[in-house]
Amino acid sequence: DSGVTQTPKHLITATGQRVTLRCSPRSGDLSVYWYQQSLDQGLQFLIQYYNGEERAKGNILERFSAQQFPDLHSELNLSSLELGDSALYFCASSRRGYGLDEQFFGPGTRLTVL
Amino acid sequence: SQELEQSPQSLIVQEGKNLTINCTSSKTLYGLYWYKQKYGEGLIFLMMLQKGGEEKSHEKITAKLDEKKQQSSLHITASQPSHAGIYLCGADIYGGKLIFGQGTELSVKP
Repeated sequence: DSGVTQTPKHLITATGQRVTLRCSPRSGDLSVYWYQQSLDQGLQFLIQYYNGEERAKGNILERFSAQQFPDLHSELNLSSLELGDSALYFCASSRRGYGLDEQFFGPGTRLTVL
Repeated sequence: SQELEQSPQSLIVQEGKNLTINCTSSKTLYGLYWYKQKYGEGLIFLMMLQKGGEEKSHEKITAKLDEKKQQSSLHITASQPSHAGIYLCGADIYGGKLIFGQGTELSVKP
């Protein structure tokens, strides 16, 4: 158990819908990262937040957005869902969020878009 | 991703055999992470290598970082079925974004 929690574990929805994925980082970690893992693209970095502010951006679509709240939990919002958005979404957290900083991964949310 | 290439993509070994997985970067490596993933589950941190020439070991797994070659290797000695899984290398080569290799799927036959 990494100490990072993600909810829900599974999510099944229809195209065009909007969903919210939630992540609680390890106690004391200030940085949260979101990743998308699919068979064809592998593990792709989406976005990083550090202490409530966006720190780095990766291959995140405009239909996707994220935020980190004052209690440091984070939410990833996916809207206008397409079939191709079906994937495993991971959240990770780290102590500092800069330099070489070990990232601890949550168990993931499996999103299926029908 | 093309920035980080892992080889081989998959590996089947007999229990007790040694094996090596390589991770090569197309850009300068300032540090590298190794993770293990069971299919459909979260990533488990194995090791972080910070300096060229650094070598770390944990139980029967050893990882090395060769900055000049922009490469890291992960070596498992006397493999066991519990070592089976997907091994991923990750590196921060763009400043703040962790890029991962495509993974190496390891199967260990009893």
